Amino acid sequence: GDSVTQMEGPVTLSEEAFLTINCTYTATGYPSLFWYVQYPGEGLQLLLKATKADDKGSNKGFEATYRKETTSFHLEKGSVQVSDSAVYFCALNSGNTPLVFGKGTRLSVIA
Amino acid sequence: EADIYQTPRYLVIGTGKKITLECSQTMGHDKMYWYQQDPGMELHLIHYSYGVNSTEKGDLSSESTVSRIRTEHFPLTLESARPSHTSQYLCASSEYQGTGYGYTFGSGTRLTVV
Repeated sequence: GDSVTQMEGPVTLSEEAFLTINCTYTATGYPSLFWYVQYPGEGLQLLLKATKADDKGSNKGFEATYRKETTSFHLEKGSVQVSDSAVYFCALNSGNTPLVFGKGTRLSVIA
Repeated sequence: EADIYQTPRYLVIGTGKKITLECSQTMGHDKMYWYQQDPGMELHLIHYSYGVNSTEKGDLSSESTVSRIRTEHFPLTLESARPSHTSQYLCASSEYQGTGYGYTFGSGTRLTVV
């Protein structure tokens, strides 16, 4: 079945550092790919998504490119802020099936 | 602003009690889902519904049950709560948006069973 593998955390960075969180997937067909963010004590918020190969999703300085050849959707941000501290989930959806999530990566950004 | 509402936000309950977690959405979405988030933060699909009178079990075996009598309402019930049910429960709904599905999540119910 479909699955998502993302790098395990926790990840601790200094403010203004470069962020990469790796995500790879296994799926039949052509899934849509998502990054969700969960701030402490809250639900999930969509950060960005891409629905076809070579699409780049972007939002709030975060970017991820749908790479079909490497089955990857790595999340990047050039300069993180303390307010980016949260848990990040990579996810996919194939056709009519429910979202499948990776295990989540906790990011802590220190001033 | 989320259009999917979960109540209560927090609940502490004794072992053996019956509880119902409420989830409502105002967007008219046919598809709705329940995810259980364990303290280690992993998300597990426990139930989903593709429309009224349709419910399916998810990937993670759960002792909870769900019903879908109205499009907007997808409650989850635990007949007899146990400490192992302590988790955050997230409700979601989705709709097709032309190039793929878009999902909306509620704020969650954090359940503690003592």
